[in-house]
Amino acid sequence: EVQMVESGGTLVQPGGSLRLSCAASGFTFDANAMNWVRQAPGKGLEWVSSIAGSADYTNYADSVKGRFTVFRDNSRNTLYLQMNRLRVEDTATYYCAKGWSADSWGQGTLVTVSS
Amino acid sequence: DVVMTQSPLSLPVTLGQPASISCRSTQSLVFSDGNTYLNWFHQRPGQSPRRLFFRVSKRDSGVPDRFTGSGSGTEFTLKISRVEAEDVGVYYCMQSTHWPRTFGQGTKVEI
Repeated sequence: EVQMVESGGTLVQPGGSLRLSCAASGFTFDANAMNWVRQAPGKGLEWVSSIAGSADYTNYADSVKGRFTVFRDNSRNTLYLQMNRLRVEDTATYYCAKGWSADSWGQGTLVTVSS
Repeated sequence: DVVMTQSPLSLPVTLGQPASISCRSTQSLVFSDGNTYLNWFHQRPGQSPRRLFFRVSKRDSGVPDRFTGSGSGTEFTLKISRVEAEDVGVYYCMQSTHWPRTFGQGTKVEI
């Protein structure tokens, strides 16, 4: 069974940093691209970043470019999102999703940026 | 960026009746390989999104056949032939042809 479990979300002050993790199981992790998608409270879905299975390609939304970094450890079947210089508007539930077309999703982890 | 526009944004439905959601893109979603990477997702209250269709009309495993995805180019439609109670929630289209990936605003379906 395909499963992704996100963790690392918490309350952080504006300007702070946070690293999210997504532990994957039930599929060949290094053969699949992975994505981060976020959802602000009561709002719609916003794509954040994608990374190829071999980590040789990444892409970012303009809203996070230069502040967020996506990377993966294929030996640990884990996807990461390093978030720096956090802003209030980054407050959201962050989901990891498998594949270029997001065929499976984790349960999400809540990041709250507030003073 | 490709803008995805869904309509309606709110869709009151009657159990057993059909329902339809439109999704339009500002650019063609046909990729250089000839495929069209338009996806549909359903998010029930308090849950993660679940993909229903990929490449316009390819139904994901476990999706009831009362759901149909169709369209081409820049215009796409999700149809439910007979709405059931479990179909409530928000439906999103998302294109994965172009960077950045973009979602529609979401259509809230309620009984």
